[in-house]
Amino acid sequence: GENVEQHPSTLSVQEGDSAVIKCTYSDSASNYFPWYKQELGKRPQLIIDIRSNVGEKKDQRIAVTLNKTAKHFSLHITETQPEDSAVYFCAASKGFQKLVFGTGTRLLVSP
Amino acid sequence: DGGITQSPKYLFRKEGQNVTLSCEQNLNHDAMYWYRQDPGQGLRLIYYSQIVNDFQKGDIAEGYSVSREKKESFPLTVTSAQKNPTAFYLCASSILEGQPQHFGDGTRLSIL
Repeated sequence: GENVEQHPSTLSVQEGDSAVIKCTYSDSASNYFPWYKQELGKRPQLIIDIRSNVGEKKDQRIAVTLNKTAKHFSLHITETQPEDSAVYFCAASKGFQKLVFGTGTRLLVSP
Repeated sequence: DGGITQSPKYLFRKEGQNVTLSCEQNLNHDAMYWYRQDPGQGLRLIYYSQIVNDFQKGDIAEGYSVSREKKESFPLTVTSAQKNPTAFYLCASSILEGQPQHFGDGTRLSIL
């Protein structure tokens, strides 16, 4: 079955810096890759997703890139702000099969 | 999302007791899921259902049971066989399996 690895497990940056979180997946047939943000004690919320027919997608300060050949995808956050501090999860799925989540990255943005 | 309601928000279980966590959605989603999250950990899938009256085990189903008698409801029972039930439980739904999942606010379960 699908396996998703996520790195790093923790990431500390200064406000205004960029943050990059990377995920690799094992099943080359996977075609849907969402990213979720979870603030402490709250529900995970979908922040951006990408499908395998595109290589990059942007939404304001957030972007996701996908490299199908290497089977990895990354979340890029530019001009980080303290409110970006949270745990971020990547996930992958193929067709109509269940999502497989990564283990999460705790991002801390210091003022 | 306002479309998924989990209750209660906090729940305490006594030794040997079964407890049921409620999950209701009004998004008309076919697929529903239950996840367990331990402190500082990721999401582990307990059970999922693609359609009414059908459900499949996830990665950590032992000690849990579910039912899907109605499209909008997917309750999770934590049985006495689950020896370490203390965790944050999240319910989610999606239009179809593999599509964007929307999560409820979660239930925090503790042992008395």
